[in-house]
Order: sequence, then C-alpha cells, then structure tokens
Amino acid sequence: DSGVTQTPKHLITATGQRVTLRCSPRSGDLSVYWYQQSLDQGLQFLIQYYNGEERAKGNILERFSAQQFPDLHSELNLSSLELGDSALYFCASSAGGFTQYFGPGTRLTVL
Amino acid sequence: QQQVKQSPQSLIVQKGGISIINCAYENTAFDYFPWYQQFPGKGPALLIAIRPDVSEKKEGRFTISFNKSAKQFSLHIMDSQPGDSATYFCAASIQEGTDKLIFGTGTRLQVFP
Repeated sequence: DSGVTQTPKHLITATGQRVTLRCSPRSGDLSVYWYQQSLDQGLQFLIQYYNGEERAKGNILERFSAQQFPDLHSELNLSSLELGDSALYFCASSAGGFTQYFGPGTRLTVL
Repeated sequence: QQQVKQSPQSLIVQKGGISIINCAYENTAFDYFPWYQQFPGKGPALLIAIRPDVSEKKEGRFTISFNKSAKQFSLHIMDSQPGDSATYFCAASIQEGTDKLIFGTGTRLQVFP
C-alpha cells in the first residue's frame, strides 16, 4: 500500500459526459501528479500540482482540468468525454524528493 | 528528446534465470532514473532508482546498471522468480523544477517455473 488513495476505482460513463477523479496523497506530500495509462500511449504525464499551485503540464487535453485543494487532495476533471479517453488514470504523490508513490488508479470506461 | 526507449517489449525467462531490460534516453538533463514494477490491476510501484553519479546500484536481486556516456541504463533481475512476473517500466526525470516522470513503454516479464 503506497498510502495514496484514489476514488472511484472504476467509472463507466457515456460519451459527452463529465467525470471527476479524486486523489488523496500520502500524509505530508505536497506534490501531486496525474498520469494516464492507455494501451497505445503507455504511461503519460498529465499535470503536476505542488502545494495548491500548478507546477507543470504535460500531454493534458483542454477538456481536462485539475486542481489541488488546501487539504492537498486533488481532483482531475474530464469533460466532453470521448471513447479514446478510456484509460487508467493514476495519481502519484511525493514529498518533493525523488520518489513518486502511485495510487491504485481509476479505470475509466467511456461507452 | 524527451523520450525514453525501452526494450524488449516482452520477456520470457525460466525460474532462476536472469532478466535484463534495457532503456535509452537522449536528454542529458535527466538526473534521476527509477524503475517501476506494475502488477495487473495495480499502480506502478517503485522498485529501484539510480542517479547518474553512480554506475551501478543493487538492492537484493535487482540491479541497475547505468552508462552515462552511452545514455543507457538497464535493470537486471537475478534468480528470477514467478512472483516477479509483472510489467516493468523505466523512467527518467529532471529533479530541478518539475520532476515529472517520462516513462518507457514497458516490458512484460513472464517467469516460468
């Protein structure tokens, strides 16, 4: 158990819908990262927050957004969902050092 | 230049054998190279990591070999066990500023008894 929690574990929704994925980092970790894992793209960095502020953006679509709240939990919002958005979404956290600890992921299926 | 190339895509090893997975990178600014292990239905878990100021790091049966001049690094799993069957990802990052991980494409390892 990495100490990073993600909810929900599974999410099934329809095209055009909007969903919110939630992540709670390890106690004390200020950095939160979101990654997308799909069969054709592998593990791709989406976005990073540090202590509530956006620090870096990767291959994140404009339909996707994220935020980190004062209690350090983070949410990833995916809107106008398309079939191609079906993937595993992982949250990771770190204390600012080298190691990123990954959560168990949210499996999103868009029908 | 931000890519990390990983090979092989899949690997079959007999129990007790040595598993070797290779990665190569282009960006010389990378200064942290972790390996992650992922079991089906689970998130990636850090296995072992190395910084470019050392050429080798060993933790139990797992060893990272690092060749800075060739911009390559590899994971060696000694005495491979069926429980090692998983997907392995190499990654690289730059610790200054954003430390996002750039992942390789993964290697699916199967260890047969």
